[in-house]
Amino acid sequence: DGGITQSPKYLFRKEGQNVTLSCEQNLNHDAMYWYRQDPGQGLRLIYYSQIVNDFQKGDIAEGYSVSREKKESFPLTVTSAQKNPTAFYLCASSRTGTRSNQPQHFGDGTRLSIL
Amino acid sequence: DQQVKQNSPSLSVQEGRISILNCDYTNSMFDYFLWYKKYPAEGPTFLISISSIKDKNEDGRFTVFLNKSAKHLSLHIVPSQPGDSAVYFCAASQGGTNAGKSTFGDGTTLTVKP
Repeated sequence: DGGITQSPKYLFRKEGQNVTLSCEQNLNHDAMYWYRQDPGQGLRLIYYSQIVNDFQKGDIAEGYSVSREKKESFPLTVTSAQKNPTAFYLCASSRTGTRSNQPQHFGDGTRLSIL
Repeated sequence: DQQVKQNSPSLSVQEGRISILNCDYTNSMFDYFLWYKKYPAEGPTFLISISSIKDKNEDGRFTVFLNKSAKHLSLHIVPSQPGDSAVYFCAASQGGTNAGKSTFGDGTTLTVKP
């Protein structure tokens, strides 16, 4: 069964700590994305990658970092510089990032909370 | 500056009736529009889409209408079923250097009452 796996489902972070959210896909998709969702709000783009070893900042990249060393994997690190990290984080992928008509496939999200 | 707006945070309809969810956009460069459905604690799933060269796309009980001059699209669900109760996100994307990126609205929570 192809899909996107995000882990962990719930994550707790202490003040001043970096944490990394995992995202793996076996859909053979070129493009991958990270979104943040706050209560009552839509999805805001943090980072996206259209190809391995390349990624671009989204609308709210400050305090976050990513890597794309493998096609299947796009981990997101929430750094201590992100002052309000409590949110629901969603990872997505699509067939290619160079066409506008490709729907995105989403994982089930990671809920990050501050201790 | 929100480029995609869903002005109704919630909508409640009776089972069997029509549900109409609305979405407005401001960026005339958007050339593709998508609707996603999201259940609690899950990721969104793609529902239906429409290209800017069309004004209607239908898939079973779901129809999306696009009015380019008004920069408005709507999702019609007929007949509505209790299992349709979810949050619906409108998204828009464009080609060129920003291809692949989608801009999402804040979502509309649909409740279908039995």
